[in-house]
Amino acid sequence: EAEVAQSPRYKITEKSQAVAFWCDPISGHATLYWYRQILGQGPELLVQFQDESVVDDSQLPKDRFSAERLKGVDSTLKIQPAELGDSAMYLCASSYIAGGNHNEQFFGPGTRLTVL
Amino acid sequence: DAKTTQPPSMDCAEGRAANLPCNHSTISGNEYVYWYRQIHSQGPQYIIHGLKNNETNEMASLIITEDRKSSTLILPHATLRDTAVYYCIVRVPPYYGGATNKLIFGTGTLLAVQP
Repeated sequence: EAEVAQSPRYKITEKSQAVAFWCDPISGHATLYWYRQILGQGPELLVQFQDESVVDDSQLPKDRFSAERLKGVDSTLKIQPAELGDSAMYLCASSYIAGGNHNEQFFGPGTRLTVL
Repeated sequence: DAKTTQPPSMDCAEGRAANLPCNHSTISGNEYVYWYRQIHSQGPQYIIHGLKNNETNEMASLIITEDRKSSTLILPHATLRDTAVYYCIVRVPPYYGGATNKLIFGTGTLLAVQP
């Protein structure tokens, strides 16, 4: 069964360093999402892509976070510089297309970031 | 999208039915009820969704009250592998004019299935 791939699974960094996370969605899925999940809370959407275009980045802290999906397939989320409060699970999800059916989102296993 | 209220935690004996409640008293006519779950250290997983009729699939059943102000997710024979956080989400699907496909998660219900 096709799955969303993420790497690395775990990342430990010091504050003020740069970190990057990678996501490979299910083949053929045009919509890609990055969520952040703080311990004890539900995931919160950071950015949504439709193909290579950003359609929602209203909750992305743009002073330090950036995301790209250059060829409309895999995606990278970057934090520079990392802060202590960025410690969280970063989840990537994909869905077939934003319109149409009910659009089940398929989630990857996540990247657990710890900022020291 | 309407907000939902869920109990923070529930216990269930293995092999028994698990009934997880969700209140969504401000739900509007075109909003669907979705359920996802998140097993520890994994990403969330879609379970089921519905508008006003009861729904059943291979994982669970969804019972929505006639006034649509609340719903119950039923796992008919809970196993230890069903221990997870269950999220009830209300949203307008994109094809009904929803702004995006964004899922707004609350804190969910931690279901602990006991042996």
